[in-house]
Amino acid sequence: KQEVTQIPAALSVPEGENLVLNCSFTDSAIYNLQWFRQDPGKGLTSLLLIQSSQREQTSGRLNASLDKSSGRSTLYIAASQPGDSATYLCALNSGGYQKVTFGIGTKLQVIP
Amino acid sequence: NAGVTQTPKFRILKIGQSMTLQCTQDMNHNYMYWYRQDPGMGLKLIYYSVGAGITDKGEVPNGYNVSRSTTEDFPLRLELAAPSQTSVYFCASSYKGELFFGEGSRLTVL
Repeated sequence: KQEVTQIPAALSVPEGENLVLNCSFTDSAIYNLQWFRQDPGKGLTSLLLIQSSQREQTSGRLNASLDKSSGRSTLYIAASQPGDSATYLCALNSGGYQKVTFGIGTKLQVIP
Repeated sequence: NAGVTQTPKFRILKIGQSMTLQCTQDMNHNYMYWYRQDPGMGLKLIYYSVGAGITDKGEVPNGYNVSRSTTEDFPLRLELAAPSQTSVYFCASSYKGELFFGEGSRLTVL
C-alpha cells in the first residue's frame, strides 16, 4: 500500500527566502505525482503535475522534481512571498484513476 | 470555464437527517470523484465515476451513495447522517491523470 509523508508539517520562513518542501513515498511504481496548494477554507489548486517518465516540471517560481528510485519529490519555491502562505499537498497516482494517495501537507507561512 | 462547482459550501445537519451535496463540472471530464478531508489526515476517496452511468466505491463509501446520470453532474447523497460524517467534502474531476478540485463543502452533523 502506498504511503505518502510530507515533512515538515509546518514551516515558517522570511520573505525572499528560497525553500524546499518534501514529499516521500514508499512505492516507486507510480503513474504521476501532483503538487497542490490549499488556502484556508478553500479547495485544492493544482500547481504542477509530473508524469512518471519525467524528472521535473517548472512553472514560474515553482520547480518540482521526482526521483522514483529514492521515493522522493521536492517542490522548490524561489524568492518566497507572503502570498505563498498556504498548505502544500502532494498526491501520488499509483495507476488507476482511483489509486491516488495524498499527503497530509506542509503548512507554509512566509513572513513579510 | 467555471471548473468544478460544489454546493452548498456549508451545511449543518442533525443526526439521522439526509442530504445531497451537488457537484457539477463544465470541462467534459469523464472521471469524477468525491473525497473527504479530515484534520490531520490525507484526503480519502469515497466514490468515483469513470463516466455517465458508471460509479464505484472508494476507500470510505459507508453511509454515502452517488449517481452519475450525466457527464457534468456527480451528486453525493448522505443517508442517516452521523457525527462521523462531519468533514469537508471535495468533488474532483480528472483528465489525463490530472485532478481538478471544487472549493469544498463543509458539513457538520450534530
